[in-house]
Amino acid sequence: NAGVTQTPKFQVLKTGQSMTLQCAQDMNHNSMYWYRQDPGMGLRLIYYSASEGTTDKGEVPNGYNVSRLNKREFSLRLESAAPSQTSVYFCASSELFRWYGQGNSPLHFGNGTRLTVT
Amino acid sequence: TQLLEQSPQFLSIQEGENLTVYCNSSSVFSSLQWYRQEPGEGPVLLVTVVTGGEVKKLKRLTFQFGDARKDSSLHITAAQPGDTGLYLCAGSSQKLVFGQGTRLTINP
Repeated sequence: NAGVTQTPKFQVLKTGQSMTLQCAQDMNHNSMYWYRQDPGMGLRLIYYSASEGTTDKGEVPNGYNVSRLNKREFSLRLESAAPSQTSVYFCASSELFRWYGQGNSPLHFGNGTRLTVT
Repeated sequence: TQLLEQSPQFLSIQEGENLTVYCNSSSVFSSLQWYRQEPGEGPVLLVTVVTGGEVKKLKRLTFQFGDARKDSSLHITAAQPGDTGLYLCAGSSQKLVFGQGTRLTINP
């Protein structure tokens, strides 16, 4: 059972280049998320998709776009990479989009993409 | 803006010692999750606490949610090298907020 699979694992880009990070989950989860992780700053939400067919901005969406291709796949695109986007990117999924209360739906994370922009 | 502050940010101790990691906020959360992250991997959920004052145990790990649901602690008894990792707390209310993490190293 693969869970959440991210590709690629590593990527180096030059400023201004574009790329798409791929994410797929095999748990039949409804909700998917993209986070970035920077030293000392925890995990910050870039975009999320509460259900197939919907996407919404998170805390730090500038410079990114997303596509919920189907229930399994959620991609993150950098149209014109900048050094400030150097980070580790994590895709996550949850059964339901429900942040709070009983039946809180935990996040299942992939193993990340380490991106360096020079 | 809801913030979760974790302390300490770094902790290095010897195998067999006990330790406590804290997760504090001025905001009230409906629930709080603890995750552990190992190098090169994504965070993995350890536990979710929901009720104020709730205590949950996972082998040598004890998690407590504050009575006012603004803070939480993680206590590890007789730490082992396998406990090494980044521990993240995440609070749920209108959104999910992550703390910056505590990087724990257990030395043999």
